[in-house]
Amino acid sequence: DIVTTQSPDSLALSLGERATINCKSSQSLLYSSNNKNYLAWYQHKPGQPPKLLIYWASTRESGVPDRFSGSGSGTDFTLTISSLQAEDVAVYYCQQYYNTPYTFGQGTKLEIK
Amino acid sequence: QITLKESGPTLVKPTQTLTLTCTFSGFSLSTSEVGVGWFRQSPGRALEWLALIYWDDDKRYSPSLKSRLTITKDTSKNQVVLTMTNMDPVDTATYFCAHASGGGNSCYFDHWGQGTLVTVSS
Repeated sequence: DIVTTQSPDSLALSLGERATINCKSSQSLLYSSNNKNYLAWYQHKPGQPPKLLIYWASTRESGVPDRFSGSGSGTDFTLTISSLQAEDVAVYYCQQYYNTPYTFGQGTKLEIK
Repeated sequence: QITLKESGPTLVKPTQTLTLTCTFSGFSLSTSEVGVGWFRQSPGRALEWLALIYWDDDKRYSPSLKSRLTITKDTSKNQVVLTMTNMDPVDTATYFCAHASGGGNSCYFDHWGQGTLVTVSS
């Protein structure tokens, strides 16, 4: 199984600050035949279903604010929130879909300081 | 507009079999490269992928739960059913179904149901 590990486990920042969440996979998620990284990012708020933010490591889902961006390739990936808003308080997960079993990181809890 | 909704019992006893139904609209599971997955989240734990069924009836399971899981689809009813046998209190969780996108056999999940809380207790 591919193991995905996020860091940090939690993050407390002030409104307007930049948030950076990292995700490292135990093997490359880059498929050479199409040059795509099989990694997604989700936002999960209590009492709600997870919301897809980013797929193919850097493609923003329709309707997601442009303050959210994804980067990285191979085994190291980053989710960045350029200017933290109050509504961004949530747990964020990376998920690899290179192969099954699909695996999630342990989650990063983002709070407002 | 794609929507999904999970339904099933909120309380099951240990050793019983859980049957959850995902009823969806806005897409068809007879369309190429479409899939539906099941997930769960136990209290205080991360999201966990359980199973996935594709338009062509290809099925994938979490290896750790494979012996207990069965996923099926009823294309005419727009439903996907997940059964989990031999339920245990550690299986207490919110269970989600989700629409799979991405093409081929590698999927991210772009539309999710609201989830249903299942408690396992005698």
